[in-house]
Amino acid sequence: GQQVMQIPQYQHVQEGEDFTTYCNSSTTLSNIQWYKQRPGGHPVFLIQLVKSGEVKKQKRLTFQFGEAKKNSSLHITATQTTDVGTYFCAGRGNNAGNMLTFGGGTRLMVKP
Amino acid sequence: NAGVTQTPKFQVLKTGQSMTLQCAQDMNHEYMSWYRQDPGMGLRLIHYSVGAGITDQGEVPNGYNVSRSTTEDFPLRLLSAAPSQTSVYFCASSYSYAYTSTDTQYFGPGTRLTVL
Repeated sequence: GQQVMQIPQYQHVQEGEDFTTYCNSSTTLSNIQWYKQRPGGHPVFLIQLVKSGEVKKQKRLTFQFGEAKKNSSLHITATQTTDVGTYFCAGRGNNAGNMLTFGGGTRLMVKP
Repeated sequence: NAGVTQTPKFQVLKTGQSMTLQCAQDMNHEYMSWYRQDPGMGLRLIHYSVGAGITDQGEVPNGYNVSRSTTEDFPLRLLSAAPSQTSVYFCASSYSYAYTSTDTQYFGPGTRLTVL
């Protein structure tokens, strides 16, 4: 079945440093979504990428979808303490009936 | 709109007990699903429903039952609780399910379940 791997599992950064998390799928995806989960909270939708090579920005966050639609990344510029949390990617397969499969998440910790 | 609501927020069970986790949404979403999240791990799909009267198994369905008698409600039943079912359970909903869907999923606040 479809597998979605995410790296790194953990990342400690100093406030102001950049951060990137990578997501790789074993199969070609129809689309990919990114979620943020604060400690003790629930996943909250950030963005969705659909097109091959798509790049979307939300303030300091930049999301990319690979040309082959099998990988994606989230880059945060100049991290802030409010960025703390776990970032999950979730990919939807290219065939009818394929479910949304979540990666294991990257936990971001920011030192002030 | 209240969005996706879940009850209870916390629950402690003894091995062998049964219980139902409640989930409701008021957004008229067709698609609803249940995930479990174990410490330090991602979310794994337990069961899902693409509309009232239709349910199907996800990645980890064993030990759980679901039903969808209305669009709004999607309860998850633990038949005979086991310590391996200690987890945080999230219910989610979205407008549609089609594999070409670009809909986002809205998650409930979660139920933290401990099985002793």
